[in-house]
Amino acid sequence: SAVISQKPSRDICQRGTSLTIQCQVDSQVTMMFWYRQQPGQSLTLIATANQGSEATYESGFVIDKFPISRPNLTFSTLTVSNMSPEDSSIYLCSVEETGAFRAFFGQGTRLTVV
Amino acid sequence: AQTVTQSQPEMSVQEAETVTLSCTYDTSENNYYLFWYKQPPSRQMILVIRQEAYKQQNATENRFSVNFQKAAKSFSLKISDSQLGDTAMYFCAFMKQGSGYSTLTFGKGTMLLVSP
Repeated sequence: SAVISQKPSRDICQRGTSLTIQCQVDSQVTMMFWYRQQPGQSLTLIATANQGSEATYESGFVIDKFPISRPNLTFSTLTVSNMSPEDSSIYLCSVEETGAFRAFFGQGTRLTVV
Repeated sequence: AQTVTQSQPEMSVQEAETVTLSCTYDTSENNYYLFWYKQPPSRQMILVIRQEAYKQQNATENRFSVNFQKAAKSFSLKISDSQLGDTAMYFCAFMKQGSGYSTLTFGKGTMLLVSP
């Protein structure tokens, strides 16, 4: 299974600032996914990131708020921009082993906006 | 669109006992995968078990097994010989099978507490 390193593991940020979360995979993967898990809730897909193209965002998520980079097949970043307390959540990076229909997750980033 | 429903917000079990977590789903797809993920307090989402919809045989992984009823769209997880380390949030998830990639649709989760 893929090993996914995500950082930071947690952060406390001031409202109005931005935070960039990094996700590094130990093998090349076609697709990387970013999820949000609000307190006490399930996971919601933010966007899908394919190397070399614009990320595809789910309904309710926009690029200006959650810009994503995917510079190569092992790395992606998610930025949470102009943060407000409502952005306080766990953000998780995920990869799917190509063609295996099996998804693995990073350890998550717990973001608190004050 | 797919939906996944977990009707048990919380479950409790004593160590060494067996517990079953329920999950139902709704889809018009015929080919798909179902998963159970475990999320302990560390936040790491850990894949527990996977079931391919085209397989009639229920998946098993050590103490974890599923009861997959395709016609009823039911996918329950049985944990045998429960251990304290099984305490976690358990999420049922659906993945459509198709060309390219597929994303996961999660249920709301069931918090399992294993007590001594």
